[in-house]
Amino acid sequence: GAVVSQHPSRVICKSGTSVKIECRSLDFQATTMFWYRQFPKQSLMLMATSNEGSKATYEQGVEKDKFLINHASLTLSTLTVTSAHPEDSSFYICSAIHRDETQYFGPGTRLLVL
Amino acid sequence: AQSVTQLGSHVSVSEGALVLLRCNYSSSVPPYLFWYVQYPNQGLQLLLKYTSAATLVKGINGFEAEFKKSETSFHLTKPSAHMSDAAEYFCAVSDPGGAQKLVFGQGTRLTINP
Repeated sequence: GAVVSQHPSRVICKSGTSVKIECRSLDFQATTMFWYRQFPKQSLMLMATSNEGSKATYEQGVEKDKFLINHASLTLSTLTVTSAHPEDSSFYICSAIHRDETQYFGPGTRLLVL
Repeated sequence: AQSVTQLGSHVSVSEGALVLLRCNYSSSVPPYLFWYVQYPNQGLQLLLKYTSAATLVKGINGFEAEFKKSETSFHLTKPSAHMSDAAEYFCAVSDPGGAQKLVFGQGTRLTINP
C-alpha cells in the first residue's frame, strides 16, 4: 500500500510553454501533498504544500504565479510550470501524507526546457 | 527550527561489510525521524521511521537505525552490505505537532565495492 504516482515521468518542452505534472495517491486519500524540486546531486527542496480544497502554501522564494498548484481531490495534486525557461529544468518530486503521518513519495518527473 | 546533518556526502564500503550512515538532528521538540533511499532517477523510498516508540527501529532491506536522544543522532546501519544497496540516502526530520513538513539532510551517496 501507500503508492504515489507521477505523470509524466519525463517531459521535454520549448521555452515559454507550460507543463502540467500530476501527482496521485493510488491507494489512500491525502489531504496534504508536497512538491519538491531536486537539482543534480543535491537534496530535495520543498517548494510548496498542497492542501485539498484550499490554496497551496509556498515556501519562501518560490514564485506562486510560476508554479501553479491545484489540489482538486483527495487523490490528485497538479503542478503547472508556467512559461517555462531552461532554468526551470529539474527533477520534480511530489509526496503525499498518509494517515500514519508518513510521507510517501512519487517517482519524480524530469523536466527539460529547451 | 529543525535541521539535519549527514556526516559524509559519500561513503564507500566493501560488499559484506558493515554500513554506517550518520545523521544528527536539531529540534526543539521530540521529533519524528526518517531515512529514505533514492535510486538514480527515481523518487524516495521510505526505509524506516522513528515516531517516539521503540528507539531501535528496523526497516526494509535489513537496515535499522537507533534514536539516541542524548546524542541527537539517528544513524543508519546494516550489518552486511549488498551491491544493490548502492544509492543515495537521506535522513529527514519532522515536527509531529507541525505541518508535517520534512527537513532533509544533504544526502549520503553509498558506494559498494565488490
